[in-house]
Amino acid sequence: AQSVTQLDSQVPVFEEAPVELRCNYSSSVSVYLFWYVQYPNQGLQLLLKYLSGSTLVKGINGFEAEFNKSQTSFHLRKPSVHISDTAEYFCAVSDHYGGSQGNLIFGKGTKLSVKP
Amino acid sequence: DTGVSQDPRHKITKRGQNVTFRCDPISEHNRLYWYRQTLGQGPEFLTYFQNEAQLEKSRLLSDRFSAERPKGSFSTLEIQRTEQGDSAMYLCASSLRGGAATDTQYFGPGTRLTVL
Repeated sequence: AQSVTQLDSQVPVFEEAPVELRCNYSSSVSVYLFWYVQYPNQGLQLLLKYLSGSTLVKGINGFEAEFNKSQTSFHLRKPSVHISDTAEYFCAVSDHYGGSQGNLIFGKGTKLSVKP
Repeated sequence: DTGVSQDPRHKITKRGQNVTFRCDPISEHNRLYWYRQTLGQGPEFLTYFQNEAQLEKSRLLSDRFSAERPKGSFSTLEIQRTEQGDSAMYLCASSLRGGAATDTQYFGPGTRLTVL
């Protein structure tokens, strides 16, 4: 069975500081990895995804993540955060059959709070 | 592309009543997923359809829950005899099954259910 662990439930940072949101996964098969962001009272928006190829993935809003197979991690980073990045971030994993993803398994989320 | 829509956005009901939610996926998407999200948790997979066929159901989906996608377009999720534990955000997502690059799930804004 797959699982996702987001090591920090809350991350407070000051504006323009760098941030890293940690995500570890466990799976016995090859996986696809995703980061989604959820703003208050809104649905989930895809930030970025790793399917194959380069382990460094760039997404929207200046975020990037690095897939590390040996450490089973997929940490999300941004070099300089803005107030508008305040939201909850979810890491998710899915296995894939023949190149097509199945249902997503989510972590519990990390609340990023950016302070002025 | 109008995105995934869900109706209603909020539903308050009394314990024991039946409720039904609707999800309209992105028009060309053939896969449709339902997830449930409770406070402080990430979304949990409930079920998914490919076209009109319901291909997978989670053990979370008790007998009181039923989902349909009769014409392979919109879907409904019905909860019978609601219980207070059913209070949650119900999220719908859709994707286009094809190559790995297209199998990204796009989420709707969710329906927040409160059972009194």
